Amino acid sequence: DTAVSQTPKYLVTQMGNDKSIKCEQNLGHDTMYWYKQDSKKFLKIMFSYNNKELIINETVPNRFSPKSPDKAHLNLHINSLELGDSAVYFCASSQAYLSTDTQYFGPGTRLTVL
Amino acid sequence: AQSVTQLGSHVSVSEGALVLLRCNYSSSVPPYLFWYVQYPNQGLQLLLKYTSAATLVKGINGFEAEFKKSETSFHLTKPSAHMSDAAEYFCAVYTGTASKLTFGTGTRLQVTL
Repeated sequence: DTAVSQTPKYLVTQMGNDKSIKCEQNLGHDTMYWYKQDSKKFLKIMFSYNNKELIINETVPNRFSPKSPDKAHLNLHINSLELGDSAVYFCASSQAYLSTDTQYFGPGTRLTVL
Repeated sequence: AQSVTQLGSHVSVSEGALVLLRCNYSSSVPPYLFWYVQYPNQGLQLLLKYTSAATLVKGINGFEAEFKKSETSFHLTKPSAHMSDAAEYFCAVYTGTASKLTFGTGTRLQVTL
């Protein structure tokens, strides 16, 4: 069974469209994250949720809106897509919101905005 | 502010040779340090982590790293490289003041025959 899964794996869309990426974890973890990896492989946190509550919002444009319907899911909705949004988006989860907890990553969603 | 610097964006070694990937951290408080590996077209996977216990940390796949406070370093080593080690390696730091993992820019390890 996949621990952290994301759908879709690939997403190609036009500028100005709205799209969503879904993430689910079956590890029973309390904390989930969204990361963005750019074309140079630089990885940066966007959001983190703990028990469905937003903990971190890293100066991300408000076109990006995460939603956590329950502890096992953290979805990412993006409005009015721009060329600069093209990247690989990773979802991750950890047992709790603690510094030493291992984060488990999903396989990523490669978003291409044309 | 916390940060990590990975020296060398690309490292190439021969199969069977020593692997050394460098990571230096900057933190005003005791850090927790991590090494993650990313195989092509996959997510990141934890190799090992330092959480203020033993300074020499052993991880999966024969990798280990040593925390050296005096040098603010957490270099990753493996005595003998294998072709399957070819991947992108990320060092990361966590401190309570920032409450988040901050990743380095990554080092791509190439293993040649």
